[in-house]
Amino acid sequence: DTAVSQTPKYLVTQMGNDKSIKCEQNLGHDTMYWYKQDSKKFLKIMFSYNNKELIINETVPNRFSPKSPDKAHLNLHINSLELGDSAVYFCASSQGIPQETQYFGPGTRLLVL
Amino acid sequence: GDSVTQMEGPVTLSEEAFLTINCTYTATGYPSLFWYVQYPGEGLQLLLKATKADDKGSNKGFEATYRKETTSFHLEKGSVQVSDSAVYFCALRFQGAQKLVFGQGTRLTINP
Repeated sequence: DTAVSQTPKYLVTQMGNDKSIKCEQNLGHDTMYWYKQDSKKFLKIMFSYNNKELIINETVPNRFSPKSPDKAHLNLHINSLELGDSAVYFCASSQGIPQETQYFGPGTRLLVL
Repeated sequence: GDSVTQMEGPVTLSEEAFLTINCTYTATGYPSLFWYVQYPGEGLQLLLKATKADDKGSNKGFEATYRKETTSFHLEKGSVQVSDSAVYFCALRFQGAQKLVFGQGTRLTINP
């Protein structure tokens, strides 16, 4: 069973479109995260939710909107996609505050043309 | 602000060579320190961690020791294998904090 899963795995789209990436974890964790990995492999946190409440919101454009319908899901919606949004987006989860190990999904590779 | 700096990659070694990937950090206080590994096409996996000074984390033949005096957490392995080829990330997190701060990653390639 996949612990943290993301869909889709690949996403190719045009500038200006709106797209969503979904994340689900079956580990029973109460905290979930979105990270962005750029072309140079630099990894940076974007958002974190604990029990469906937003607890970390880094300086991310408001075109990015996370949604957590329940503890097991954290989706990322991106409006008006730009070329600079091209990256690999990773979802992760962990248990507790303070949290222990973060478990990462396989990533969603987004390419904006 | 808090930051993590890793040695520049890519690093290319022959099988059975000794590996060191340097990691230093800048932080106010005493964070927990981590090494994550990303195999091709996969997400990050925790490799090892240390939560206080002088702790040694180890896993799969890799080791790293938390050195407060030098603010370092260098990753070492005595004899690397082709299957160790991956990108390695050093990271820190403060107690009670949610956020992991990552280094820029070091790509390691092991040739047979």
